[in-house]
Amino acid sequence: VQLMESGPGLGQPSQTLSLTCTVSGFSLTDYSVHWVRQPPGKGLEWMGVMWSGGSTEYNSAFNARLSISRDTSQSQVFVTIKSLKTEDTAIYYCTRYFDYWGQGVMVTVSS
Amino acid sequence: DIQMTQSPSSMSASLGDRVTILCQASQDIGKNLIWFQQKPGKSPRPMIYFATNLANGVPSRFSGSRSGSDYSLTISSLESEDMADYHCLQYKQYPYTFGAGTKLELK
Repeated sequence: VQLMESGPGLGQPSQTLSLTCTVSGFSLTDYSVHWVRQPPGKGLEWMGVMWSGGSTEYNSAFNARLSISRDTSQSQVFVTIKSLKTEDTAIYYCTRYFDYWGQGVMVTVSS
Repeated sequence: DIQMTQSPSSMSASLGDRVTILCQASQDIGKNLIWFQQKPGKSPRPMIYFATNLANGVPSRFSGSRSGSDYSLTISSLESEDMADYHCLQYKQYPYTFGAGTKLELK
């Protein structure tokens, strides 16, 4: 089982950023994938989930700026954050229901 | 949202010490709690599932317990490799919420 996050390391305030989680060793139709982030030096924050059946749930703290989608044929889960803020600067992790985690991708939001 | 109040935020202990970290839930979460260990620059590692069940490969000096809305992670005899940040997570209700974390350092 492996998960790997990828995406741009830099985003601009007010813009949109998308990250990809590419998984192997399991099927997205069998397991959920969650997104969790961690601002530098701070704690973990649950962002949302793509359930194995294709439904999603989001943390309301993101005020509808967040969307999660997937491409099962490519074994990929995507997270998109709209209206970026500097406070979105963080390491972003994807995890298979909290047992296996990706290595994380650092995103810096700055003009 | 369910608040997970984690304490202490940091602590220092000596090798061989017994260490306990606490998470208190603001609402009933049953046993829907996971404890994670996170070392610098690394991803979180699950240590305890369902509040009390040791994850695969985790040393038996780690244990989890529950008393009402209080959840504890205990290390019975601290080893140097245990120095890390520890986080609790409740997954009873959306949004899932983490405690603020505990930094465990060597005295």
